Parts: sequence; structure tokens; C-alpha cells
Amino acid sequence: DQQVKQNSPSLSVQEGRISILNCDYTNSMFDYFLWYKKYPAEGPTFLISISSIKDKNEDGRFTVFLNKSAKHLSLHIVPSQPGDSAVYFCASLGNQGGKLIFGQGTELSVKP
Amino acid sequence: DAEITQSPRHKITETGRQVTLACHQTWNHNNMFWYRQDLGHGLRLIHYSYGVQDTNKGEVSDGYSVSRSNTEDLPLTLESAASSQTSVYFCASSESQRGYEQYFGPGTRLTVT
Repeated sequence: DQQVKQNSPSLSVQEGRISILNCDYTNSMFDYFLWYKKYPAEGPTFLISISSIKDKNEDGRFTVFLNKSAKHLSLHIVPSQPGDSAVYFCASLGNQGGKLIFGQGTELSVKP
Repeated sequence: DAEITQSPRHKITETGRQVTLACHQTWNHNNMFWYRQDLGHGLRLIHYSYGVQDTNKGEVSDGYSVSRSNTEDLPLTLESAASSQTSVYFCASSESQRGYEQYFGPGTRLTVT
């Protein structure tokens, strides 16, 4: 039972354009969400997060939007750069302690 | 600088062997986690610990064990390696209070032949 889903395994975007990565979750009790970025042969690194009391959080070129009624969050990258090419995981904080529940990941390719 | 390291980075072993993957963090974090990454499944939690002598099973714990004898280390042991355990393994840690952001190690690629 996948509680956090990223339905797009891959996304290709032109440099300078917007990248939109999507994530859906099933448990309305989840109250904190994170995005991680992963390059090949490296561990994931934290990118940006959002609490359920907000609907938007922005950090430079990265913005995360949360739609609680739809149980959906998205990550916007504007403008996209070739160095953004990586696998992006969304994650939600589970109901118990500091455990994170991850989605399957979306591989973003930004073409020059 | 504080960091989290994993060793070995690559390991090939045979079916039935016992294998231990090391994880060491210098963040002084109480929380430590082990994940495996497989195509189509993302990161799945194997075991986790909230402090010394504390260990808990995650989503995919069968065939794995951990022990926490100090704050810095959480070794992951595969009791009898199986081909289904071929994967990339990541260790992570986080602070007790602000436990949301986890810091990951570089990963160990394990192949069971």
C-alpha cells in the first residue's frame, strides 16, 4: 500500500523552463512534507519542506505547493538548469516519530 | 565538519553469507535509519533507532537486523544474504527534536550472487 506516490517516473524539460514534479499521498493525518534530490552514486539531500499549516513554501528557484483537500503536493523549479537533473523524492512524515515515507521518485532531465 | 559515512561502498557476496554494512555519523544525532532503494519502489525503511539500545522494524525488515551500542553507529546485518537483497542501501540520521530532515550517507551497493 503506497501511501506516497509519484506517478511520473521521469520528466524532461528544456533549460530555462519550469519543471513541475508531482506527488500524491493517501493519509490526511500526514502533516509535514519534504522533497529530496538525489544524484547518481550519492545519497539523497534535503531540498525543501512544507508544513500542513501552509500551502506554499519558497526557497530561491524552488517552490513547494500543498493542496490538502486533494492530498497533493508539487515542486516547481524555475528556471530549470542542467544541474537540476537528478532524481527527486517526495516524502511525508509518518504518524509515528521521525519516520519518513518516501515516494518512488521522479527522474528529472534538464536539457541545454 | 559533521558527516555520515557508510562502508563498504560496494560489496559482492554469495547467497547464504552473513554481511554487515557499517554506518557512522558524527552529527551526534539520536535518530538513525536504514533504507534500501530499488527501481520503482523509492526508498523503503528497513530498521530505525531513536537512541542507544533502541531498535525498531521498518517496512521491509525481514532478513535484516541492527544493533545500537553507541550514538555514532548503526550497523545493518543481513543474516543470510539472498538475491532479493541486491540493492543500494542508505543510512540516514536526524536530530531527536527536529527529526524531520534526515541526512543521508553516500550509500552501499550490495550485490548478492
